[in-house]
Order: sequence, then C-alpha cells, then structure tokens
Amino acid sequence: NAGVTQTPKFQVLKTGQSMTLQCAQDMNHNSMYWYRQDPGMGLRLIYYSASEGTTDKGEVPNGYNVSRLNKREFSLRLESAAPSQTSVYFCASSEQWAESEAFFGQGTRLTVV
Amino acid sequence: DAKTTQPTSMDCAEGRAANLPCNHSTISGNEYVYWYRQIHSQGPQYIIHGLKNNETNEMASLIITEDRKSSTLILPHATLRDTAVYYCIVPHLSGGSYIPTFGRGTSLIVHP
Repeated sequence: NAGVTQTPKFQVLKTGQSMTLQCAQDMNHNSMYWYRQDPGMGLRLIYYSASEGTTDKGEVPNGYNVSRLNKREFSLRLESAAPSQTSVYFCASSEQWAESEAFFGQGTRLTVV
Repeated sequence: DAKTTQPTSMDCAEGRAANLPCNHSTISGNEYVYWYRQIHSQGPQYIIHGLKNNETNEMASLIITEDRKSSTLILPHATLRDTAVYYCIVPHLSGGSYIPTFGRGTSLIVHP
C-alpha cells in the first residue's frame, strides 16, 4: 500500500513559471487536502476537496488552483510562481476528518527563485 | 473555530513519560481532538484522537478533561525517536466539511 504519493519531491522554479504538483491516494478516501508549510511554521490549508467533484478554499488559496481529477487524484497548480510560494507542500487524504485519521504524503519541496 | 493553544517547546528524559498539554476552550460538543506529530520535515503522522472519553493506543494516551476544554497527550515511555513537533488539532465544521487547522505545535525534545 503506497498511501499518499506526491510528485515531484523537489522542484526549483523561476519566478513566473507554472507547474502542477500531483497527489494520488490509494485508500479510496473521499477527502483530500493541500497544505503548505513555511520554515518554523505549522501547516496552512490551501485548498481541500471534501468529495470527488468538489473543491473549496482554505486559509491561503491565493496564487493556487486545484483539480480533483477523480477520487484518487488531487492536483495543485501554480500558474505564475512567486518567491513567496517557496515552501514545502503536503497533500493529505482522509475518509472524513471528523472521525478518522488523515494520511499525509512526504511533501514536495518547492523553491522559487 | 475551536482554536488550540500549546506550549512552544518541552523536553523530557528518555524513558520517562512525556505529557503534552493543549487548551481548546472553545471546542463544540461534537468536535474531536486530534493529535499528530511531525518528525523533521516529514509528513505529519497521526497519533490518536478522541471526543469525550480518554483514549489509548499503542503509541499514546489521550486524556480529555470533563469540560473538554483541554487535553493531554501522554507518551508513557519516551524514546529519542519521539523527538518531534506535536500538533493538537480540533477540526471545525465549515460548509458541511470538517476543516483541520494546524498551529505551530509543541516541539518535544527527548534527551538521553
């Protein structure tokens, strides 16, 4: 069982470039989440998808878009990367946060220069 | 939103119990308390969760006060591998979904 898989693990972008972070889970979970974590900080929610076909903004959605491609996959897109988006990005999935645990990927370390 | 308050850092001797407190005074009656930990910069790892009753699993125990305004995570015999940042989370209901919010957590250092 792979759990939650994120690709790529590392990425360096130039300011203004675009890219898509991929996330896939094999646990048949309904809910998926994207977080970012800046140095010395906790995780901040960017977007989430409560179920296939739905997406909603979290705390820090500006500069990002998401797509829930199917039940397994939830992608995060940076249309025009900025240095302020340098961070570690984590994807998570759960059946439903209220009563079940969430599983996290190992993160994507993104640097925007 | 049921915000949580945790000490910034704690330390513990190896083999002793580590007791990590969390305040969540605005918690609603149907909101759970979750604990996660993050070792180095890995993805957070689930530890335990509870609603009203105390809970125990192979990793830890969770003690929730009767008024549910605070809780304590107990690692009964801390090891060096338990050095991590521990997050206390109370997911809140928004638009039909429970939204988990992470604070800065407690940095626990277990020393020999």
